[in-house]
Amino acid sequence: QVQLVQSGSELKKPGASVKVSCKASGYTFTRNPMNWVRQAPGQGLEWMGWINTNTGKPTYVQGFTGRFVFSLDTSVSTAYLQISSLKAEDTAVYYCARDLDGSGSFDFWGQGTLVTVSS
Amino acid sequence: QAVLTQPASLSASPGASASLTCTLRSGINVGTYRIYWYQQKPGSPPQYLLRYKSDSDKQQGSGVPSRFSGSKDASANAGILLISGLQSEDEADYYCMIWYSSAWVFGGGTKLTVL
Repeated sequence: QVQLVQSGSELKKPGASVKVSCKASGYTFTRNPMNWVRQAPGQGLEWMGWINTNTGKPTYVQGFTGRFVFSLDTSVSTAYLQISSLKAEDTAVYYCARDLDGSGSFDFWGQGTLVTVSS
Repeated sequence: QAVLTQPASLSASPGASASLTCTLRSGINVGTYRIYWYQQKPGSPPQYLLRYKSDSDKQQGSGVPSRFSGSKDASANAGILLISGLQSEDEADYYCMIWYSSAWVFGGGTKLTVL
């Protein structure tokens, strides 16, 4: 069965970096785009962008350029989100989400990774 | 003004039906868009429910009961998620989403209370 398993919660100081992993299983990793979605505490969902798991090409939405990097290691079917120069406002749960057919049907989601930025 | 507007909350009784609306900003024609719906329960990731553009262009999420359905109200420029035969387990946050200006855009979400 399809599963996306994310790395555990992180507590970081402002200015530090964090790397969140999303390990896929149960399907051919390179056949489906992978998206990243942010949810700040008590807030709604915000799409950050996606990565083409076949070519490795990332696409970032406005507001998530510069400090945010999507990457892959296809040998272990894992997608990564790295955030640098962390700020308090980056505190959120970050989800990876598989796109069923490249059309926006995010049919499987990771369990989420809470990143807390606090001094 | 936000691209997608959802009422913050909605209450309905068990066994009744609930219509959750997702209103598109003026100037964005609902008829042009596929509307996606996600359900999120506390402490859990969102779950894909369905997408709806028209009766000939729709998709039900895998394992999603048929009592969840999509439609549109062109006069209100809104997408609608209809949940019939409400159950206590339907209590959750519901988000709509469209592809707009080269990005996936979510609505602010509706908290559905079943009481």
